[in-house]
Formats: sequence, C-alpha cells, structure tokens
Amino acid sequence: GQNIDQPTEMTATEGAIVQINCTYQTSGFNGLFWYQQHAGEAPTFLSYNVLDGLEEKGRFSSFLSRSKGYSYLLLKELQMKDSASYLCAVMDSNYQLIWGAGTKLIIKP
Amino acid sequence: DVKVTQSSRYLVKRTGEKVFLECVQDMDHENMFWYRQDPGLGLRLIYFSYDVKMKEKGDIPEGYSVSREKKERFSLILESASTNQTSMYLCASSSGQETSPLHFGNGTRLTVT
Repeated sequence: GQNIDQPTEMTATEGAIVQINCTYQTSGFNGLFWYQQHAGEAPTFLSYNVLDGLEEKGRFSSFLSRSKGYSYLLLKELQMKDSASYLCAVMDSNYQLIWGAGTKLIIKP
Repeated sequence: DVKVTQSSRYLVKRTGEKVFLECVQDMDHENMFWYRQDPGLGLRLIYFSYDVKMKEKGDIPEGYSVSREKKERFSLILESASTNQTSMYLCASSSGQETSPLHFGNGTRLTVT
C-alpha cells in the first residue's frame, strides 16, 4: 500500500530552527509537496521537490532524497505565525496525491 | 491570486437530508477536487474533475456525487447525509499541468446529526 509518515506534533521555540520529516512509500514518484495549514484555514502551497537536494525559499527550505523515500521541511528563525499544521503529499505514478496526516507545529515564546 | 470560494463555512444537517456543497474558482483552472479532512488522517479525495461535465471517482466516493456544469463551479452532493459524513470538506483547483500546486478553499465544516 501507499503510505506517508510524518510526526503528529512538534514543539519549538520562537527564533529557533525546526525540521519536519516526511517519509513515504508510494507506487512511483512524480514529486513531493509541502503545504501549510493554519487552524481553520485553507492549506497553502509551500514547496514542490521532484529532484534530490535542497530548495530554499526564504526562511523555509525543503529537502528530498528519492532513494531514501524521505523529505524534510526546515523552518528557520521561527515566528509565532509559523504555528500551523504542515502537510506532506506525494504524487504517485498516476499523478494522484497521497497525503500525510500532517504535523502540528507549536511555537512557544 | 487564485481564489477558491466555498459557499458555506459551517453547515448542520439532519441524517437523510440531501446536502449541496458549492465551490467556485476564479482562475480558469481546468482541474477541481473535493477532499474531506478528518483528525489524524491525511486528506482523502472524494471526486475530481479535469474538465466541464467530466468527473472521476477518488478514493472515497461512496455516498457522494458531483456536478460540473461550468468550468468555474464544482458541486459536491451528499444524496442522503449520514453521521459518518460529518467532516471538514475542502475544495481545490489547479491548472492543467499534473504537478501544478493545489489552491484550496477555506473549507466547509459539515455536521450531520
């Protein structure tokens, strides 16, 4: 079966760095997405990785290793507004998205 | 910016009622999707559409149907609501390329009593 695993909840301190991991087992691979979802709001697109390596976008970076079935989202200089759920989703060989359950990130002052 | 608008933020319906959830997008996107989001589970795809009058079943289509009469509008219909359909429903759209990111509406929280 197809499976995406990510931690249920993480806590970090304002100003610090946090890494949210995502491991996957899917039928084929056509890219991995990260979305951010604030409580009660719509998920919003953060990043898309299809090649191995690190992609940086401001305070957020996303890493992919296809051989290990592994990705992480790195958030630097954490701000209180980064408190949200972070959703990992993999596009399989049929271009269907398989979603993880999301990681709830709590930022403490 | 893409805007995906869902007609209701909160709905309360009784078991057996027919329920309509409406979704409109304003960016001429070809693809539209309906998901449900439940605690502890990943988003689950109910139905999707790649074109007007076209629909495809997702992973959990039972108890649901959809309608796409116009490109900008994608409706989800619960023929006879049941308590296990109490959930957050998210509509999304994307452009024609398969790996285009999804743009989501704010969701409709449906409670079936």
